[in-house]
Formats: sequence, C-alpha cells, structure tokens
Amino acid sequence: SQELEQSPQSLIVQEGKNLTINCTSSKTLYGLYWYKQKYGEGLIFLMMLQKGGEEKSHEKITAKLDEKKQQSSLHITASQPSHAGIYLCGADNYGQNFVFGPGTRLSVLP
Amino acid sequence: IAGITQAPTSQILAAGRRMTLRCTQDMRHNAMYWYRQDLGLGLRLIHYSNTAGTTGKGEVPDGYSVSRANTDDFPLTLASAVPSQTSVYFCASSEGLLSGELFFGEGSRLTVL
Repeated sequence: SQELEQSPQSLIVQEGKNLTINCTSSKTLYGLYWYKQKYGEGLIFLMMLQKGGEEKSHEKITAKLDEKKQQSSLHITASQPSHAGIYLCGADNYGQNFVFGPGTRLSVLP
Repeated sequence: IAGITQAPTSQILAAGRRMTLRCTQDMRHNAMYWYRQDLGLGLRLIHYSNTAGTTGKGEVPDGYSVSRANTDDFPLTLASAVPSQTSVYFCASSEGLLSGELFFGEGSRLTVL
C-alpha cells in the first residue's frame, strides 16, 4: 500500500520567516491533499493537487506537486503565529482508502 | 452549519467496558470514516463506509465495529475497551469515497484505564 513520509518532523521558526514542508510518497500520487490541524482540534482542508507540476496558492501558503507526482511541498511565506499547527499530507491509496503522512508540527515564535 | 459532530468530546473508561463514539454529519455525504490519531503514528483509518448500509475495514479495525444505518450517522463501538485503544478518534466524511476533500469532526479523546 502507499506510504507517505513528511519532513521535517517538527519545525520552529521566527515570525516572518519562510518555510517549506515536504511530503514524499512511495508510489505515484493520483491526488495529494494538504491539511492543517490546530492542536487538539480536527483537520482543516487546505488544498488538493492532482496534476504533475501543479501549483496552488491560498493566501501565504503555496503547494506544489512535482512532475513525477511522488513528492509535494508546502511553502509558507512570511510565517505568522496563526500558521502554527500540524500540517498533514494525505493521498488516495489507489482506491482502497485514504492515507495520511505522520504530520509536521510547526511552531511560529512571535 | 454544523458539518461533523462527534460525541463525547472526551471520555475516561475502565478496561473491559463497552463504549460507543457517536458521529453525525449534516452534509448528506455518502462516505464516512473513523480515524485514530496517536503520537508518532499519525492518522490511521479504522473503518469506513461508502454509503448507507455498507462498511469496510481500514488499516486498524481490530477491536472496533461500525454501523451505517442511515446517511447521517456513523457510530464507532469498542465492544470491550483495552488500554491500547487510548487515542484521539476523528470522524470524517466526503461526498464520495476518496472523492477529494474530507471534512473532519473535532475529535473524541478516549482514555482507557
């Protein structure tokens, strides 16, 4: 079955700094989803990528899917304390179910 | 708009007791899911349902059962709770199975002593 890895496992940045979180799949991705989870709360959908080379942006968050569709990156520009949380990538496991990466815990220091 | 409602928010129970976590959605989504989230292990799928009347096993189904009598409700039952079932449980739904965005509830924190 498909497995997702994320790096880094955790990240602490100063407010205003840029950062990147990576998600790598063991198999070709046919749909890659990014979610954010605030501590102790449920997951919130951020964006979905399906095509190789696709890039989407929402406010200060940009996600890309590489041409081979095995790796995605999430980039946050000028981070703010409101960006803190756990970022998880998720993917369609070849029609069997939906799998998630282990998550990247982001802390933004004011 | 409620979306996904889970109950209880948290619960402590003794090992061996029976427990049902409730999940209700008001979006008329066909697919529903139960995940557990554990530190270091991420989100793992327990059971899912493609549509009312059908259910399927996920990655970690042992010790859990589900039912889907109607579109809106998807309860998760622990027949005889064990300490290893201490976790945060999330219910989610989507329009169709694997059809994109999943909507999550706020989670139910369960502690089994």
